[in-house]
Amino acid sequence: AQSVAQPEDQVNVAEGNPLTVKCTYSVSGNPYLFWYVQYPNRGLQFLLKYITGDNLVKGSYGFEAEFNKSQTSFHLKKPSALVSDSALYFCAVRDDDYKLSFGAGTTVTVRA
Amino acid sequence: KAGVTQTPRYLIKTRGQQVTLSCSPISGHRSVSWYQQTPGQGLQFLFEYFSETQRNKGNFPGRFSGRQFSNSRSEMNVSTLELGDSALYLCASSSDASSYNEQFFGPGTRLTVL
Repeated sequence: AQSVAQPEDQVNVAEGNPLTVKCTYSVSGNPYLFWYVQYPNRGLQFLLKYITGDNLVKGSYGFEAEFNKSQTSFHLKKPSALVSDSALYFCAVRDDDYKLSFGAGTTVTVRA
Repeated sequence: KAGVTQTPRYLIKTRGQQVTLSCSPISGHRSVSWYQQTPGQGLQFLFEYFSETQRNKGNFPGRFSGRQFSNSRSEMNVSTLELGDSALYLCASSSDASSYNEQFFGPGTRLTVL
């Protein structure tokens, strides 16, 4: 069975500081990893994904994520956070069985 | 291209009733998935349809069912509603059968069961 863990319920950073949202995964087959963001009363928006190849993946809105196979991690990062980045972030994993499993989510608050 | 649309956006029902939610995927997308989002359980996978066939199903009781039509539009039905069914129901579409394609989500249907 596949699973995703987001160890932090909340992350608080000051605007302009680096932002990191942690994610670890467990999957039996090939991991296809995704990050999504959800703003209040909205659906999820796709940020980026890792399929294969380069371990550093770049996505929307200046976000990037680093795939680490040995640590089974896929942490989301942004070099300089904005107040508008405040939202709920979900890591997800999908294996060859098509089913998408989400982490519990991490609430990011960026203070001005 | 228009995004994923879900109707209705808000719904209030009473226990014991049934409800049907509708999802129209992005044009050309053939895979539609449904998720339930609650504060306590987070995002949980309900089922996925591809070319009118249910390809995968989550751990939900048989009261939850779905179908997909030939135009890829999908409906989800919940019978004999319970208070615990109150949630945001999200629909997502993707272009084909590949596991590595990202899903695009609709705004959700907020179901309240009284």
